[in-house]
Amino acid sequence: NAGVTQTPKFQVLKTGQSMTLQCAQDMNHNSMYWYRQDPGMGLRLIYYSASEGTTDKGEVPNGYNVSRLNKREFSLRLESAAPSQTSVYFCAIEQGLGQPQHFGDGTRLSIL
Amino acid sequence: QKEVEQDPGPLSVPEGAIVSLNCTYSNSAFQYFMWYRQYSRKGPELLMYTYSSGNKEDGRFTAQVDKSSKYISLFIRDSQPSDSATYLCAPQAAGNKLTFGGGTRVLVKP
Repeated sequence: NAGVTQTPKFQVLKTGQSMTLQCAQDMNHNSMYWYRQDPGMGLRLIYYSASEGTTDKGEVPNGYNVSRLNKREFSLRLESAAPSQTSVYFCAIEQGLGQPQHFGDGTRLSIL
Repeated sequence: QKEVEQDPGPLSVPEGAIVSLNCTYSNSAFQYFMWYRQYSRKGPELLMYTYSSGNKEDGRFTAQVDKSSKYISLFIRDSQPSDSATYLCAPQAAGNKLTFGGGTRVLVKP
């Protein structure tokens, strides 16, 4: 999706390995979000960053850390991957609360 | 009970039919109501964005919000095979984050 780039698109990890998912935007939006999407569960918020230099926990933050490197970039780190973290991860951006969010095309992560 | 409920489907209709999708929610503070469309192996994309109760029409798409019943609807007229996707409703309270429904999968058969 235009404006939000996620890397990598696919990744397979072994249990216990670490991994950083990258998200970059070129729309100069203030807020950035990380979601996971699982069958039947919809999109669940992991962490978000309302502005550069701030991060906050969402609904399912356990097992994850984030870093808002600058206004463009927001990374999600799995320090010790677990099979329960197998999911599709989406990054989203938002100009401000109450404004629509724009999503990347996701990172498909499998943990064996 | 989830804050936003959607029937997961799949909802299968013939090409040209009207597709009717709905969500129910429990949080009376929701003021903004969005519908996202998600194609397979893609991220959600914004389809409709409405504020408070009422109707909004955009081409073949109509969104309705009934805050008194806490009920959100999306109608797709003259459905096309390219409308086959998962549709996510996402209400939002002022100053707060989006809450997503689980999505309804729609299949439009030629």
